[in-house]
Amino acid sequence: AQRVTQPEKLLSVFKGAPVELKCNYSYSGSPELFWYVQYSRQRLQLLLRHISRESIKGFTADLNKGETSFHLKKPFAQEEDSAMYYCALSDDFNKFYFGSGTKLNVKP
Amino acid sequence: GAVVSQHPSWVICKSGTSVKIECRSLDFQATTMFWYRQFPKQSLMLMATSNEGSKATYEQGVEKDKFLINHASLTLSTLTVTSAHPEDSSFYICSASRRSNTGELFFGEGSRLTVL
Repeated sequence: AQRVTQPEKLLSVFKGAPVELKCNYSYSGSPELFWYVQYSRQRLQLLLRHISRESIKGFTADLNKGETSFHLKKPFAQEEDSAMYYCALSDDFNKFYFGSGTKLNVKP
Repeated sequence: GAVVSQHPSWVICKSGTSVKIECRSLDFQATTMFWYRQFPKQSLMLMATSNEGSKATYEQGVEKDKFLINHASLTLSTLTVTSAHPEDSSFYICSASRRSNTGELFFGEGSRLTVL
């Protein structure tokens, strides 16, 4: 069953523009939601998690249980934000499931 | 801290042979390790979850006799692709969570397997 959906494979924005990477999930239990990022030629790394409610590198994400969404947002995109972004869900058994990823391209 | 290392990073083998990929947590104890498979331009597909000292739990559709996973210690898990075939060619990524279980996964750099 598809637990995490990222509808956009590629998102291109200009530097300084707002960006929103969409993520929807389906899970009947109490999931934890994360955003992982993979910069060019680097390994996946945690960007942020919903329980922390923190802003990392200007990014924020709010868990909306009604809409089962966990969209990632940043008001002003920077060129260094260009990367692959993966939304992930951790289930009641601490297994992690990833979305298909969205490639963010921030143009100068 | 929290470094996960995979070895080898790239391996080429002949069809029918077996290949072992190692995943090590270098500076922490990993109570749980996860093995993922990633196809080009696709998501990471969870293959199995391994806990130290116990049998791995495989996801539906993943052949446990084909993909042998061993988690012998708190710092090492291995994935052995047995009797490899060209369709097993893929990028295999391991990740680990710490004993403290903050909910964060730490990823290895991945291993690319090419089966001729």
